[in-house]
Amino acid sequence: GQSLEQPSEVTAVEGAIVQINCTYQTSGFYGLSWYQQHDGGAPTFLSYNALDGLEETGRFSSFLSRSDSYGYLLLQELQMKDSASYFCAVRGGNRDDKIIFGKGTRLHILP
Amino acid sequence: SAVISQKPSRDICQRGTSLTIQCQVDSQVTMMFWYRQQPGQSLTLIATANQGSEATYESGFVIDKFPISRPNLTFSTLTVSNMSPEDSSIYLCSVSGGLAVEQYFGPGTRLTVT
Repeated sequence: GQSLEQPSEVTAVEGAIVQINCTYQTSGFYGLSWYQQHDGGAPTFLSYNALDGLEETGRFSSFLSRSDSYGYLLLQELQMKDSASYFCAVRGGNRDDKIIFGKGTRLHILP
Repeated sequence: SAVISQKPSRDICQRGTSLTIQCQVDSQVTMMFWYRQQPGQSLTLIATANQGSEATYESGFVIDKFPISRPNLTFSTLTVSNMSPEDSSIYLCSVSGGLAVEQYFGPGTRLTVT
């Protein structure tokens, strides 16, 4: 089976940096992804890590440590529009394309 | 990226009835996925729909309750059958990106069962 753990809520101040952690247990591993979802909207893809290390995309970075079954999403220079839910996700262990999502982290940003 | 549309965007249905949700993609894709999301909750995969074969259902979901059609590479439908209030949820379809490292989601169908 597969399971992902991430904090249910995180609060940060506008302009600051916040890190959202994710630990996972999978029978196979083909990459850790991150998605953003605003209230009333559909999830949108942010980043993907298949190998250990840091991937940077603008203000967002994602990190993976396969030996620790751990990853995080780092958001810098927080803006009010970053208030959303963030989901980590893993690809299925039998090499199909399906993705299993964590429970999501609600990010609250204070002015 | 793929552009995905869903119909209807929302509906209010009476218990015992069925609703068919349509998902249209602007490009041909091998696999399409159907998810359910309760407000404030995570996404739960219902089934994977491949063109030309029967859908593969996740644990807890059965074909009699959630029949799926996949008549071609750009279209799929999900039917929620014999609805009860517990079926009230947002239903989303998605497709994989070219390298299968990301998924693209439709806008969702908000279903309320009374």
